[in-house]
Amino acid sequence: NAGVMQNPRHLVRRRGQEARLRCSPMKGHSHVYWYRQLPEEGLKFMVYLQKENIIDESGMPKERFSAEFPKEGPSILRIQQVVRGDSAAYFCASTRETGGSYGYTFGSGTRLTVV
Amino acid sequence: AQSVTQLGSHVSVSEGALVLLRCNYSSSVPPYLFWYVQYPNQGLQLLLKYTSAATLVKGINGFEAEFKKSETSFHLTKPSAHMSDAAEYFCAVSEGNTDKLIFGTGTRLQVFP
Repeated sequence: NAGVMQNPRHLVRRRGQEARLRCSPMKGHSHVYWYRQLPEEGLKFMVYLQKENIIDESGMPKERFSAEFPKEGPSILRIQQVVRGDSAAYFCASTRETGGSYGYTFGSGTRLTVV
Repeated sequence: AQSVTQLGSHVSVSEGALVLLRCNYSSSVPPYLFWYVQYPNQGLQLLLKYTSAATLVKGINGFEAEFKKSETSFHLTKPSAHMSDAAEYFCAVSEGNTDKLIFGTGTRLQVFP
């Protein structure tokens, strides 16, 4: 039973390029969350998605960032025209149910470095 | 709005000594509280969670945490540290009835032989 799968593990992009981060939730999990971890900081919520729906994107920067969770395939976090400040670890998590008490299963993250 | 404060960004203990990692929360509703552990270059692993059942919660790897409403605390303890416990530990609170988690800034635990 594979856990939450994220790829790539490491991604290097030049300023101005696009970064695409992929997340496949655990089998049977239909709720996906993206978090960003800046150096020496805790994780910050970005977006919560269900299949084909964005439920809460209150933590997403207003520009250049987008997320999707299509009917088929992984969830994608897309960062356009990356800047140095986007360098961080991006974690995906999934749950089977919602309600606040279940806790997540996290993926191993994608570490984005913008040069 | 919910928030989490972890006192001490770094904690060092000797192998075999008591581990105490502090977490205080702020919440306007009964909280769900979590402790996660992160090993280098890995994702977060759930250690334990409080969901309004027993106030003393036992987790994996010998860790436990006690919910104290009067002190708004959820400190993580382990009676005897092991070298393999060296990692970063995050306390988190669930925002309302959603699964959005508010994380503390983390405490890095070092264990010396």
